[in-house]
Amino acid sequence: GAVVSQHPSRVICKSGTSVKIECRSLDFQATTMFWYRQFPKQSLMLMATSNEGSKATYEQGVEKDKFLINHASLTLSTLTVTSAHPEDSSFYICSARDLGSGYTFGSGTRLTVV
Amino acid sequence: QKEVEQDPGPLSVPEGAIVSLNCTYSNSAFQYFMWYRQYSRKGPELLMYTYSSGNKEDGRFTAQVDKSSKYISLFIRDSQPSDSATYLCAMSASGGSYIPTFGRGTSLIVHP
Repeated sequence: GAVVSQHPSRVICKSGTSVKIECRSLDFQATTMFWYRQFPKQSLMLMATSNEGSKATYEQGVEKDKFLINHASLTLSTLTVTSAHPEDSSFYICSARDLGSGYTFGSGTRLTVV
Repeated sequence: QKEVEQDPGPLSVPEGAIVSLNCTYSNSAFQYFMWYRQYSRKGPELLMYTYSSGNKEDGRFTAQVDKSSKYISLFIRDSQPSDSATYLCAMSASGGSYIPTFGRGTSLIVHP
């Protein structure tokens, strides 16, 4: 089946620094990838839709200057959390849609900002 | 009212029990229904994917969709401790955007 690889799985950073999270589709091409945020015991909240070769589409309330998304190729999307603060600490998950398998998720990145 | 409602649990059952997990929804445009399993600190894993109403079976898992009642279920037979996880329902409309809307997930604990 389709596989989406997400790195890193866990990152701790200092307040004010930036963190980049990578999401790769390993065995299929994904013109569209999705970035979610999940708080403990809460559902997945869609942050943005990443479109290959064009600007990402952000959900209402998500700061596009804080959460920079780049989708430079058909298999790679990156999310950069800029000037991270403790309130940005969360579980970030990417997904991509494969026509045969539906939506496949990465393994997630737990970000802790100290 | 949220578009997708799901009881967060936790639901605790003994090993071997039949588990019933459910979601209700309000958007009658939803046509695609999915169930994901999420282990702690991991990304969701697709379990079942169904279109429109009816049943779908895969091993110990059975997904049911009742569009008239806007109600979907996931049944797990002969539950195992390894089934302990959070189960999220998701659904999307046909045509246009296929981005799914997720329930908040039900935490399932299967104890030996």
